[in-house]
Amino acid sequence: QPVLTQSPSASASLGASVKLTCTLSSGHSSYAIAWHQQQPERGPRYLMKLNSDGSHSKGDGIPDRFSGSSSGAERYLSVSSLQSEDEADYYCQTWDTGIVVFGGGTKLTVL
Amino acid sequence: EVQLVNSGGGLVQPGGSLKLSCAASGFTFSGFAIHWVRQASGKGLEWVGRIRNKTNNYATAYAASVKGRIAISRDDSKNAAYLQMNSLKTEDTAVYYCTSGGGSGSPSDYWGQGTLVTVSS
Repeated sequence: QPVLTQSPSASASLGASVKLTCTLSSGHSSYAIAWHQQQPERGPRYLMKLNSDGSHSKGDGIPDRFSGSSSGAERYLSVSSLQSEDEADYYCQTWDTGIVVFGGGTKLTVL
Repeated sequence: EVQLVNSGGGLVQPGGSLKLSCAASGFTFSGFAIHWVRQASGKGLEWVGRIRNKTNNYATAYAASVKGRIAISRDDSKNAAYLQMNSLKTEDTAVYYCTSGGGSGSPSDYWGQGTLVTVSS
């Protein structure tokens, strides 16, 4: 089954940009993933589905500041013009027949 | 507006049972699989299981950590899904969310607000 690896934390300044990484395990580099955002004390929210070719489809109301890209087994979530409300945990997710897997999450701090 | 509303959480003793509900509106509920995801306090997201749609024979799949102790069902006539949990352990204490696909191909385009299950004596 696939395994997703995320860095536990990241930080960037207000108004700056940040790129979060989710790495698929060996043998699973063709898998699509989804990115989800969880703001403090709130439930998760779907951001986008990201394919291995970098194409992505965002959820309703997700700002253009959020984008996704891919390179090999790496899946990226880029956030530009960081705002205070972007401070959150970000989870990647993938799936296969009969199983769904989440990464451990990255806590993004906006300085 | 798409909505998934979770209910049924509460305090239960170890070894007890609980049935959670997920009520859907605003989309074609019957067309999509429903997944359950949980999150212990201060921890990450953990997939619990899923039930597919009628076209896929309502097939279920469960995480190894809960297999044999839970059952997921759905009633498309009521736009609802359920998570029956038995033989509960203290480590099952978590917020439980239902999620649904919505056309993107991901399992979790939509999320419920979650319901807290506390297993404690």
